[in-house]
Amino acid sequence: DAKTTQPNSMESNEEEPVHLPCNHSTISGTDYIHWYRQLPSQGPEYVIHGLTSNVNNRMASLAIAEDRKSSTLILHRATLRDAAVYYCILRDQTNDMRFGAGTRLTVKP
Amino acid sequence: GAGVSQSPRYKVAKRGQDVALRCDPISGHVSLFWYQQALGQGPEFLTYFQNEAQLDKSGLPSDRFFAERPEGSVSTLKIQRTQQEDSAVYLCASSLFPRTNVILEQFFGPGTRLTVL
Repeated sequence: DAKTTQPNSMESNEEEPVHLPCNHSTISGTDYIHWYRQLPSQGPEYVIHGLTSNVNNRMASLAIAEDRKSSTLILHRATLRDAAVYYCILRDQTNDMRFGAGTRLTVKP
Repeated sequence: GAGVSQSPRYKVAKRGQDVALRCDPISGHVSLFWYQQALGQGPEFLTYFQNEAQLDKSGLPSDRFFAERPEGSVSTLKIQRTQQEDSAVYLCASSLFPRTNVILEQFFGPGTRLTVL
């Protein structure tokens, strides 16, 4: 299975943008890139997904490198409620959702 | 709201006891997943149901773990003869279509925290 690599932790100041990186050098052509986040004491929640093109939704933006070997989740203005563990996951039709350890984002007021 | 619910939220069991964890998925969702999340780790896949059929149980750690979804809605994860290493949060997720539809999101419940003494 394709694997992802994320930093263990990151810090951000409130109301500043946050760029959360993810490396997936062994990604295959059929893998979608998904991001989920897990707030304290809750189950994970979907954030965004993409295949090749950059994607935007109301929660975040996803920037995908041209070679697809890396991607970046962008939170345009971090709030205290964005403090969570962020997971970058590769999905195709044959595998399950494989979560790594994720990136723990701390947002400072 | 009509999200995924799980019960109980917390369960304490003595080693050797059997436990049953319940998941109520979103109504009409075809897919149901169980995950195990150890402290400080990401969730790990346990098993997958498409309607009432258990299509994948490759993640179940031992034959003490058993899951069912007899009518294609509510699911129960049963752990027999619990051990201390079973202590974890057990998460349930559901999705509208089969899991081969890889663009669809999974909706997670809040989890059941199991502590085995």
